[in-house]
Amino acid sequence: SQTIHQWPATLVQPVGSPLSLECTVEGTSNPNLYWYRQAAGRGLQLLFYSVGIGQISSEVPQNLSASRPQDRQFILSSKKLLLSDSGFYLCAWRGNRGDTEAFFGQGTRLTVV
Amino acid sequence: DQQVKQNSPSLSVQEGRISILNCDYTNSMFDYFLWYKKYPAEGPTFLISISSIKDKNEDGRFTVFLNKSAKHLSLHIVPSQPGDSAVYFCAASISNFGNEKLTFGTGTRLTIIP
Repeated sequence: SQTIHQWPATLVQPVGSPLSLECTVEGTSNPNLYWYRQAAGRGLQLLFYSVGIGQISSEVPQNLSASRPQDRQFILSSKKLLLSDSGFYLCAWRGNRGDTEAFFGQGTRLTVV
Repeated sequence: DQQVKQNSPSLSVQEGRISILNCDYTNSMFDYFLWYKKYPAEGPTFLISISSIKDKNEDGRFTVFLNKSAKHLSLHIVPSQPGDSAVYFCAASISNFGNEKLTFGTGTRLTIIP
């Protein structure tokens, strides 16, 4: 069966520090991978998605970047965090057909102080 | 531009009664729709989906209705239980290959009153 791992669960970082959140998927190959952020009043905002190694699509211009160095690994990064980067970040995977559901990790609560 | 909208941020329903959560979309290309349930500090979990070739899909206590002409879908939960208290998100996508985005609404917080 497929599983998705996302870590860490919580993170407190000072303003201006770097960020690296990692997500890995097991039990499937060539998944579509997604990073979402849950923000108040905006639901689940799609940040990045990837359909293959090295292929990243950005949905919202911001202080973050994403990379996919391996088929089942998706990383969310920032060189310098802003206070506005605080939020609940979610990684998800999905089969590469548009009529399937997505499966989410447990999320990372990021607080920038 | 919010292509998937949930206009009710919150809803309270008595235990045992029916909960109806609504969702509207603007992109007529969307042809696959999903509902997710989310508890605080956890990832969303998939509940039920519907393809645009159907107007109803049922799974136990959960039924999703799709009205394509109105670009509207709804989730019915019958009977409502205390464990149903959560935030519910609807989502939409285009099913043909090459369209990988899954767009979510803003969510509705459902509270079941014992």
